[in-house]
Amino acid sequence: DTEVTQTPKHLVMGMTNKKSLKCEQHMGHRAMYWYKQKAKKPPELMFVYSYEKLSINESVPSRFSPECPNSSLLNLHLHALQPEDSALYLCASCPDGNSGNTIYFGEGSWLTVV
Amino acid sequence: AQSVAQPEDQVNVAEGNPLTVKCTYSVSGNPYLFWYVQYPNRGLQFLLKYITGDNLVKGSYGFEAEFNKSQTSFHLKKPSALVSDSALYFCAVRDYGDKLIFGTGTRLQVFP
Repeated sequence: DTEVTQTPKHLVMGMTNKKSLKCEQHMGHRAMYWYKQKAKKPPELMFVYSYEKLSINESVPSRFSPECPNSSLLNLHLHALQPEDSALYLCASCPDGNSGNTIYFGEGSWLTVV
Repeated sequence: AQSVAQPEDQVNVAEGNPLTVKCTYSVSGNPYLFWYVQYPNRGLQFLLKYITGDNLVKGSYGFEAEFNKSQTSFHLKKPSALVSDSALYFCAVRDYGDKLIFGTGTRLQVFP
């Protein structure tokens, strides 16, 4: 089983709202990721958690706040977003940081900021 | 820095014909190369990877890829295309520090 589950599948939020995206995996993977993907473009890395600690932040604006409550869960807290933040947000996981390991992606959360 | 390039924005092929989606890479050290597919309004699905060993790698849904060190290429192939193979295909390379670097993507269109 290589399943990464993301909720919600679709989210519409206003620019003053606070919302969260959630990601869960039960494969025992110790690395988890958030990617952002705009239409017809490749995914762009936002954050990496390794063994529940933030290891990479790709200079993401502070209106995006990641959280890793435990080894199975990854959240992305959203606050005061802009319309240009509308995109597909992909969560992914990997057994660990070994470069040969496969990174598995969820189905994504479609975010629309109005 | 590691990078991959996908020179074709779109590839068109008739159903039943062989297909090739091209990818070239630029890495320092050993390359760890991946192919992913994205169907419309879906997440990315892993197809196959090259880590070491045989240059011909077999993956999901009948796809395979050939690692060519002299040409620094990792082209995705399938002997007989299906209409259901129509999707967006990404080549990627694993970078240091746990990053996966994607190419720009190639849209495969298989016509009946």
